[in-house]
Amino acid sequence: SQTIHQWPATLVQPVGSPLSLECTVEGTSNPNLYWYRQAAGRGLQLLFYSVGIGQISSEVPQNLSASRPQDRQFILSSKKLLLSDSGFYLCAWGGQGETGELFFGEGSRLTVL
Amino acid sequence: GDSVTQMEGPVTLSEEAFLTINCTYTATGYPSLFWYVQYPGEGLQLLLKATKADDKGSNKGFEATYRKETTSFHLEKGSVQVSDSAVYFCALSDRTGGFKTIFGAGTRLFVKA
Repeated sequence: SQTIHQWPATLVQPVGSPLSLECTVEGTSNPNLYWYRQAAGRGLQLLFYSVGIGQISSEVPQNLSASRPQDRQFILSSKKLLLSDSGFYLCAWGGQGETGELFFGEGSRLTVL
Repeated sequence: GDSVTQMEGPVTLSEEAFLTINCTYTATGYPSLFWYVQYPGEGLQLLLKATKADDKGSNKGFEATYRKETTSFHLEKGSVQVSDSAVYFCALSDRTGGFKTIFGAGTRLFVKA
C-alpha cells in the first residue's frame, strides 16, 4: 500500500534562518506531488506541485522553493525565513486518475520567531 | 478560475444533532468534488467524493450529493458524535485545470456531549 511521510513534524526557527522540509512517498511510482500551506485559521493554499523529477510548478510568488531530486521525494526550502512563513505545511500525492483525490502526509508545523 | 466557497465556522452542535455544511463551487470544466476532514494536529484525509452530476458520496454516516444545477456539494450527517469534531474542507479537482486541487477555507465543527 502507498504511504507518505513528511518531517520534521514540528520546528521553531528564527527569522532569517534556512528551512528544509522533506516528503517521501512509498508504494507508488511517478506520483504527482504537492506542497500546501495552512495558515492559522485559514484554508489550504497550494504552493507547489510536481508531475515528475525536476518539474516544479509554483502557484504563488513567495519566499519558498521546492525541488524534486528523486521520483518519490519532494523538498520544500527557504534560504531566509520570514515571520509570515509560519504555518502548517502539508505534503500530498495523487491528483491523478479518474477522480484526482489527494493523500496527505502528517504535516509539519513551522513557527518562525 | 476555479473556486470553492464553504460556510464559515465554527459550527457548534450538540451530540445527535443534524449537520449541514454548505459548499458551492465554480469550475470551467467537469470537476470531481471532495470532502476532506482534518482532525486536530493531523493532515487531511478524504471523507467522501463524487465524480459526476447526481452522484452521492457517503462515508461514516456523512453524505454529499453532486448538484450540477446549483453547483453545490453540501455535507450532511443525521446524527453527529463528539468524535466528529474536526475541520471539514470542500474541494474540487478539475482535469481541465491541470493537476491541481482547489480547497475551500474549511469549516470547524465542535460537537458537545
